[in-house]
Amino acid sequence: AQSVTQLGSHVSVSEGALVLLRCNYSSSVPPYLFWYVQYPNQGLQLLLKYTSAATLVKGINGFEAEFKKSETSFHLTKPSAHMSDAAEYFCAVSDRGFQKLVFGTGTRLLVSP
Amino acid sequence: DAGVTQSPTHLIKTRGQQVTLRCSPKSGHDTVSWYQQALGQGPQFIFQYYEEEERQRGNFPDRFSGHQFPNYSSELNVNALLLGDSALYLCASSGGPGLSYGAFFGQGTRLTVV
Repeated sequence: AQSVTQLGSHVSVSEGALVLLRCNYSSSVPPYLFWYVQYPNQGLQLLLKYTSAATLVKGINGFEAEFKKSETSFHLTKPSAHMSDAAEYFCAVSDRGFQKLVFGTGTRLLVSP
Repeated sequence: DAGVTQSPTHLIKTRGQQVTLRCSPKSGHDTVSWYQQALGQGPQFIFQYYEEEERQRGNFPDRFSGHQFPNYSSELNVNALLLGDSALYLCASSGGPGLSYGAFFGQGTRLTVV
């Protein structure tokens, strides 16, 4: 079975600081990995995805993530936080044969001025 | 190009009642999945429809059922509602093999059971 662990239910940063949201996965087969963002009372928006091409994946809004097989990690980063980045972030894993996403419990990003 | 649309946006039902939620996938997508997101939790997979058939199912009771129509739109039905069914129900659509293109989510339907 696949699973995702997101370390830290809340992460606080100052505007302009580095954002680092951690995600570790477990999968018996080569995975697809995703980061989604959710703003209050809204659905999920796809930030970026890893589907076995380049291990460093660039997404929208300046976010990127690096797939590290040896560490079973797919951490999300952004060099400089903006107030508009405050939201809930979900990491998800899928095997390549099926379209079911398994989500982590989410990390709430708080950005202070 | 319209994305994934869900209706209604909010719904209040009484315990024991039945509810139907609706979803229209993103243009060009033929696969619809439904997720339940309880407050403060990540979304949990309910089931997936492709070619009008249920292809995969998560760990949800038979009270949860669905349907996909020839135009790829989908319905989620929940019978005998329980208080614990209160959640945000998300529809996601995708196209192509697996999830190589990602899944795109609608805004969700907030169901409150009283």
